[in-house]
Amino acid sequence: QKEVEQNSGPLSVPEGAIASLNCTYSDRGSQSFFWYRQYSGKSPELIMSIYSNGDKEDGRFTAQLNKASQYVSLLIRDSQPSDSATYLCAVMPPSGGSYIPTFGRGTSLIVHP
Amino acid sequence: GAVVSQHPSRVICKSGTSVKIECRSLDFQATTMFWYRQFPKQSLMLMATSNEGSKATYEQGVEKDKFLINHASLTLSTLTVTSAHPEDSSFYICSARRGEVNGYTFGSGTRLTVV
Repeated sequence: QKEVEQNSGPLSVPEGAIASLNCTYSDRGSQSFFWYRQYSGKSPELIMSIYSNGDKEDGRFTAQLNKASQYVSLLIRDSQPSDSATYLCAVMPPSGGSYIPTFGRGTSLIVHP
Repeated sequence: GAVVSQHPSRVICKSGTSVKIECRSLDFQATTMFWYRQFPKQSLMLMATSNEGSKATYEQGVEKDKFLINHASLTLSTLTVTSAHPEDSSFYICSARRGEVNGYTFGSGTRLTVV
């Protein structure tokens, strides 16, 4: 059974610090990885996608992928109180599969002033 | 970018009635749409996969006769919660796939409260 694991948190960091969110997955053949942000009472919004090993940066966000170790992480630099939300990791199955992403349970991030 | 519109955003209904939720892809054709349910402080739970022109594929444990899904066109999928009960109260969210592997966009969600 495909699994995506995230620490539920909450992860509490001071404003301006780096927040590090981690996700591990069980399906070694997974090809595509996504990070979504979900504010309370709202639907998820895509903030990062990554497909190759290494780092991908977009503004204050950096996604890191290590397929050998089966983990993907999200770094948020200069964290702001507005970053306080639940961050969901989503993993796509290998090509030729169902194209249905598996979501982790999410990590709650709290950025305090 | 891809926009998915979901209506209504919030609905309160009486127990025993039915509620229809619409999910529209506004600027692309969605061959596949997904319906999720999320209880407070819980993860997204996939309910069913909706394919244009064919029957929906329901996840294990989801009653197909209670949660009716229709995907009559490439831009519209509907979820009807029939004979709603208070335990059906939840946040329902649709997601659309553009046709290539990585284009998933979520609707804004529908907060259903059954009283």
